[in-house]
Amino acid sequence: AQSVTQLGSHVSVSEGALVLLRCNYSSSVPPYLFWYVQYPNQGLQLLLKYTSAATLVKGINGFEAEFKKSETSFHLTKPSAHMSDAAEYFCAVTLDTNAGKSTFGDGTTLTVKP
Amino acid sequence: DAGVTQSPTHLIKTRGQQVTLRCSPISGHKSVSWYQQVLGQGPQFIFQYYEKEERGRGNFPDRFSARQFPNYSSELNVNALLLGDSALYLCASSLASDTEAFFGQGTRLTVV
Repeated sequence: AQSVTQLGSHVSVSEGALVLLRCNYSSSVPPYLFWYVQYPNQGLQLLLKYTSAATLVKGINGFEAEFKKSETSFHLTKPSAHMSDAAEYFCAVTLDTNAGKSTFGDGTTLTVKP
Repeated sequence: DAGVTQSPTHLIKTRGQQVTLRCSPISGHKSVSWYQQVLGQGPQFIFQYYEKEERGRGNFPDRFSARQFPNYSSELNVNALLLGDSALYLCASSLASDTEAFFGQGTRLTVV
């Protein structure tokens, strides 16, 4: 079985500040991990994915995430927040290469203050 | 190139009715997955189809069913609708076993 826990349902940062969104996973085998972003009334867009290659993964829009096996974590970061980053972010896990059968966390809503 | 398209975008149904949601995958993608996203929660996996065969099913009752057509488009059917079925239903397409799934904008189903 696999599961994902996103710590903090709401995160608020000032424009230009560091963004840190937390994700911990539970998996019986080495997982594949994903971060998605969802803007209001839209579907999900993939930000980045970890597929057992480099542990530090760079994604779109300046986001990156680091896979830490010892901590079972895959936190999402961005050095400097932009107003356009305000959205809901989801962490997801799958046990094989099949991203179509992912287990998602409950999401974190990111607010960016001017 | 067209992305994943879903229809309709919004739907209102009465308890006990049946509903059919439709999804067209990205051209060349043979796998389609369906997810239910209840307000305030993450998407939950319902079904995956590949080459018209079911490849996986989430923890949903038998009222939920799906199928995939020869052109790889898919339908999700829900019978005997309950108020709790109100949600955003997302379709995602991907290559056979690929580490990237592309999502449509979803169908917002409201059951009254």
